[in-house]
Amino acid sequence: EVQLVESGGTLVQPGGSLRLSCAASGFTFSSYSMNWVRQAPGRGLEWVSYISSRSSTKYYADSVKGRLTISRDNAKNSLYLQMNSLRAEDTAVYYCASGDYGSGMGYWGQGTLVTVSS
Amino acid sequence: EIVLTQSPGTLSLSPGERATLSCRASQSFSSSYLAWYQQRPGQAPRLLIYGASSRATGIPDRFSGSGSGTDFTLTISRLEPEDFAVYYCQQYGSSPPYSFGQGTKLEIK
Repeated sequence: EVQLVESGGTLVQPGGSLRLSCAASGFTFSSYSMNWVRQAPGRGLEWVSYISSRSSTKYYADSVKGRLTISRDNAKNSLYLQMNSLRAEDTAVYYCASGDYGSGMGYWGQGTLVTVSS
Repeated sequence: EIVLTQSPGTLSLSPGERATLSCRASQSFSSSYLAWYQQRPGQAPRLLIYGASSRATGIPDRFSGSGSGTDFTLTISRLEPEDFAVYYCQQYGSSPPYSFGQGTKLEIK
């Protein structure tokens, strides 16, 4: 069974830092591109970042460029999101999602909540 | 940047009826990169359709997708109670950012 399990979400002060993790199992993690997608309370989905299977390509939404960094460790079947200089508008549930171009994001985790507030 | 606009914002229908959801892009892109997702309250999104018209694994055949260029459609032929949810389109693979539409809420009339 495919599983993606996010962790690391918590309450953090504006300007603070946080590292989210996504543990993958049940599929060949190293063969798939991965993404982070977030959803602010009561709002729609916002794509945040993409990383290719071997980490050679990374993309970011303009709203997070320079503050959030995506990475992965294929040996540990894990995806990460380093979040720096956090703002109130970063408050959201963060989902990791797998999928290659042309196939959609087929697998999603349950999400982890990040709250940025003083 | 490709902007996706979904319509209507809210669709009120009864079980058994047919639902037609629209997704319009600000510029043309390959239909290979258009996906549809369903999100029920309190749950993660679920992939329904990829490549504009291919159903994901386990998705019932009452769900179908069509379209090309800038205009895409998700059709649910006969609504079941579990289909009332929010639906999002996304372009994934054309060029970043891999934007989502703002969503269409399908509610019970």
